[in-house]
Amino acid sequence: DAGVIQSPRHEVTEMGQEVTLRCKPISGHNSLFWYRQTMMRGLELLIYFNNNVPIDDSGMPEDRFSAKMPNASFSTLKIQPSEPRDSAVYFCASNLGRDPPQYFGPGTRLTVL
Amino acid sequence: QKEVEQNSGPLSVPEGAIASLNCTYSDRGSQSFFWYRQYSGKSPELIMFIYSNGDKEDGRFTAQLNKASQYVSLLIRDSQPSDSATYLCAVKRGDKLIFGTGTRLQVFP
Repeated sequence: DAGVIQSPRHEVTEMGQEVTLRCKPISGHNSLFWYRQTMMRGLELLIYFNNNVPIDDSGMPEDRFSAKMPNASFSTLKIQPSEPRDSAVYFCASNLGRDPPQYFGPGTRLTVL
Repeated sequence: QKEVEQNSGPLSVPEGAIASLNCTYSDRGSQSFFWYRQYSGKSPELIMFIYSNGDKEDGRFTAQLNKASQYVSLLIRDSQPSDSATYLCAVKRGDKLIFGTGTRLQVFP
């Protein structure tokens, strides 16, 4: 199995630009989680989906962030407009069922200048 | 008070020693606890989970849970330089995991 796939692995953009991060969960997994990791705040859950339906988005920092899961094999996290404080590593994780995610993707390192 | 607290470290131990990593949590109703290891520049990987009071052993790793005192710890026996990483403690709340900020462990030869 290829594991959780994320793209791009690195993204450098300028403030105000739209950023789209992509995730392909492990085949057969029906739960998908988006996390953000910074030195100051650690690993924070932004949103998670179960069977393609958003279950809890209380961790999404503000309206500039949105996430979609149009089908079982693809999800996006979009930031529009991006700000320097959004610079972080964004991880996607998937699992079967609602138990804690055990399978993290390699992450996308986002830098907003 | 943070929901899950860990000492950021670094915790430095010599090769072959026991490394003891600690974590406290604030929600007394928490039932499930997890330890993830994260190498620098890599993604977290689950190494242990524990649900019941007491000890749970898996190879060189032992997770300890004390719900009355609201702490969970991870012991690594015979520490190796390859164990050098950040260890994240996580507590399950509903369907979500709440992570601590991690403890950086350094094992020196």
